[in-house]
Amino acid sequence: AQTVTQSQPEMSVQEAETVTLSCTYDTSESNYYLFWYKQPPSRQMILVIRQEAYKQQNATENRFSVNFQKAAKSFSLKISDSQLGDTAMYFCAFITSGTYKYIFGTGTRLKVLA
Amino acid sequence: GAVVSQHPSWVICKSGTSVKIECRSLDFQATTMFWYRQFPKQSLMLMATSNEGSKATYEQGVEKDKFLINHASLTLSTLTVTSAHPEDSSFYICSARDQILAGLTNEQFFGPGTRLTVL
Repeated sequence: AQTVTQSQPEMSVQEAETVTLSCTYDTSESNYYLFWYKQPPSRQMILVIRQEAYKQQNATENRFSVNFQKAAKSFSLKISDSQLGDTAMYFCAFITSGTYKYIFGTGTRLKVLA
Repeated sequence: GAVVSQHPSWVICKSGTSVKIECRSLDFQATTMFWYRQFPKQSLMLMATSNEGSKATYEQGVEKDKFLINHASLTLSTLTVTSAHPEDSSFYICSARDQILAGLTNEQFFGPGTRLTVL
């Protein structure tokens, strides 16, 4: 079975500091995609960053970057220079190229403190 | 960018009535849409996959006669909660695949969600 695990239910970080959210996944597939989504209090799901498994280079989007370790099946999200607006629920998600279904982790609630 | 809307954003209904929720892709065509349910402080649970012009595929444990899904066009899918009961109260989210972009990114675009409260 394909699973996504987020082991940190809640985290907090001081404004302007850096925080890393962890995510591990399990699959026997070789071709897949990984995502981090942010869900703020409005509950609108917002794509933060995306990584294709076949790419060795870690994806980066402004203050957000990932550490993709394919052999370890790990996909952590690093948020640099944390801002109050980063306060949200963060979900790690996984999809294989052969299916259209996302598999979501249980989420990490991040609170950025002023 | 790809925008998905949902209507209504929130609805309150009496027990035993039916409620219809619409999911629209505003600027792209979506052959496949998805319906999720989310309980407070929990993750998204996939309920069903909606395919344009064909029957929806339901996840295990989801009652297809209770949650009717229709995907009549490339831009609209509807979820009807029939004979709603208080335990159906939840946040329902749809997402859609852009049939052109999906081949490149496999990304789904999410609607803003619908909060259903059944009294």
